Amino acid sequence: NAGVTQTPKFRILKIGQSMTLQCTQDMNHNYMYWYRQDPGMGLKLIYYSVGAGITDKGEVPNGYNVSRSTTEDFPLRLELAAPSQTSVYFCASSLDTDGYTFGSGTRLTVV
Amino acid sequence: GDSVTQMEGPVTLSEEAFLTINCTYTATGYPSLFWYVQYPGEGLQLLLKATKADDKGSNKGFEATYRKETTSFHLEKGSVQVSDSAVYFCALLPMKTSYDKVIFGPGTSLSVIP
Repeated sequence: NAGVTQTPKFRILKIGQSMTLQCTQDMNHNYMYWYRQDPGMGLKLIYYSVGAGITDKGEVPNGYNVSRSTTEDFPLRLELAAPSQTSVYFCASSLDTDGYTFGSGTRLTVV
Repeated sequence: GDSVTQMEGPVTLSEEAFLTINCTYTATGYPSLFWYVQYPGEGLQLLLKATKADDKGSNKGFEATYRKETTSFHLEKGSVQVSDSAVYFCALLPMKTSYDKVIFGPGTSLSVIP
């Protein structure tokens, strides 16, 4: 099992550009999540999904969008990138919320 | 609302020292409790968990006991190694009446020096 795979691992964006962070899991988990982690801070939930076709906002959704067309994939879209979105982004999945499996993260810098 | 509080870091210990990282929580009923570990440059990994009062979770020499009376879930290890250097996150999953999400603490950074 590959677990949770995130791409890319690193990315530099210019202000105003857009990009999609990819996340895929092969464990048939129904729940998936996107978090951001800022230096010295904990995790903040951006969006989550309880199953294909269902998404909901977390704590810090502004400036982001998600979709969940399949059980496996949960891409995160950044529109009009801003310096405040410089962060490390983690995707995670779980089965009935009993312990999360995290991806290795995407380090994004907006300049 | 539900929350998790952890001791502030960074924590620096010598190899073979005893480790305690304090975690207390606020939640109604009996949440599930977790410790996650994040090694440098990696994502978080589940270290151990406990789902009911007085349960002890253990893994890789780490232990934590679910104490309902003190609403605590302190992480301990008898003899740390340099390879234990990481950030440790305490987390809770509220008692489920409908779908809910894990709440993470802010993390405690641990450095172990030879």
